[in-house]
Amino acid sequence: GAVVSQHPSWVICKSGTSVKIECRSLDFQATTMFWYRQFPKQSLMLMATSNEGSKATYEQGVEKDKFLINHASLTLSTLTVTSAHPEDSSFYICSAIVGRGSYGYTFGSGTRLTVV
Amino acid sequence: QKEVEQNSGPLSVPEGAIASLNCTYSDRGSQSFFWYRQYSGKSPELIMFIYSNGDKEDGRFTAQLNKASQYVSLLIRDSQPSDSATYLCAVGPGGYQKVTFGTGTKLQVIP
Repeated sequence: GAVVSQHPSWVICKSGTSVKIECRSLDFQATTMFWYRQFPKQSLMLMATSNEGSKATYEQGVEKDKFLINHASLTLSTLTVTSAHPEDSSFYICSAIVGRGSYGYTFGSGTRLTVV
Repeated sequence: QKEVEQNSGPLSVPEGAIASLNCTYSDRGSQSFFWYRQYSGKSPELIMFIYSNGDKEDGRFTAQLNKASQYVSLLIRDSQPSDSATYLCAVGPGGYQKVTFGTGTKLQVIP
């Protein structure tokens, strides 16, 4: 089945530094990827939609200069959290559409970010 | 604004019973419907998808869709403790368009 590989699975960084999260589609081409954030015991919150070769579309309230998304190829999308602060600590998950949407999304395994 | 509503629970059922999870949606134009399971600290995994009115069965899981009433449900037969998780309903227009997730229902299966 379709697999999205997400790395790292967890990361601890100091406040003010930047962190890059990678998502790769392993056996299919992902024209579109979605980035979510999930705080403890809360629902998934869509941050942005990433389209290969074009600028990402950010949801209302998400700072595009803070959360940099790059989708340079059909198999790789990255999210960079710039100048991270403790309130950015969260679970970040990417997902890709499989089968022209017919089979829903397949999710990466998620990245637990802790900013200290 | 497109909305997908789920009871947050927790829904507690004894082992071996049928668990019934419900979801309503606001957008009548929705064409694709999904159920995901999310264990604590993990990312969601797809359980089932359904597009047509009626029932769709896969093992112990049955998805039910009623577009006229704008609801979709998930039945889990012979519930097991390993089914204890949060179940997310997702609704979308189909194709490459983004789906809207509900807030999820927490299911607890009591041994």
